[in-house]
Amino acid sequence: DAGVIQSPRHEVTEMGQEVTLRCKPISGHDYLFWYRQTMMRGLELLIYFNNNVPIDDSGMPEDRFSAKMPNASFSTLKIQPSEPRDSAVYFCASSPPGSGGQGDTQYFGPGTRLTVL
Amino acid sequence: QKEVEQNSGPLSVPEGAIASLNCTYSDRVSQSFFWYRQYSGKSPELIMSIYSNGDKEDGRFTAQLNKASQYVSLLIRDSQPSDSATYLCAPGLGYALNFGKGTSLLVTP
Repeated sequence: DAGVIQSPRHEVTEMGQEVTLRCKPISGHDYLFWYRQTMMRGLELLIYFNNNVPIDDSGMPEDRFSAKMPNASFSTLKIQPSEPRDSAVYFCASSPPGSGGQGDTQYFGPGTRLTVL
Repeated sequence: QKEVEQNSGPLSVPEGAIASLNCTYSDRVSQSFFWYRQYSGKSPELIMSIYSNGDKEDGRFTAQLNKASQYVSLLIRDSQPSDSATYLCAPGLGYALNFGKGTSLLVTP
């Protein structure tokens, strides 16, 4: 299996621009998680989906952030407009069925390093 | 925000020694606890999970849980330079995880 795939791996953009991060979970997994990691705040859960439905988006920092999962094999995290404080590494993770989404079966993607100038 | 506290380190131990990593959490609802290892520039990977009070051993790793004290720890025996990484404590919150900021471990040859 290819594992969780994220693209792009690196993104540099200017303040005010729209940014779209992409994630392909492991085939057959039914939970998908988006995290953000910074030195100051550590690894934070932004939102997670179960069977393509958003379950908890309480970690999404503000309305500039949105996430979608149109099908079982694809999810996006969009930031519009982007700001320098959004600079971070964004991780996507997925879990297989039957795990209940429990952490012991969360598989992380390689992450997208976002820099907003 | 539920608090998960870890000493940021760096914790430096000589090769072959025991490394002890500690974590306290504030949410008594948490019933599952996980330790993830993250190498610099890489993504987190699960190394241990524990659900019941007491010890759980897996190779050189031992996780210890005390729910009454809201404390979880990870012991790494016979530490190797390849163990040098950041270790993230993550109590479960329902289907999600609440990560601590991690402890940086450096194992010196």
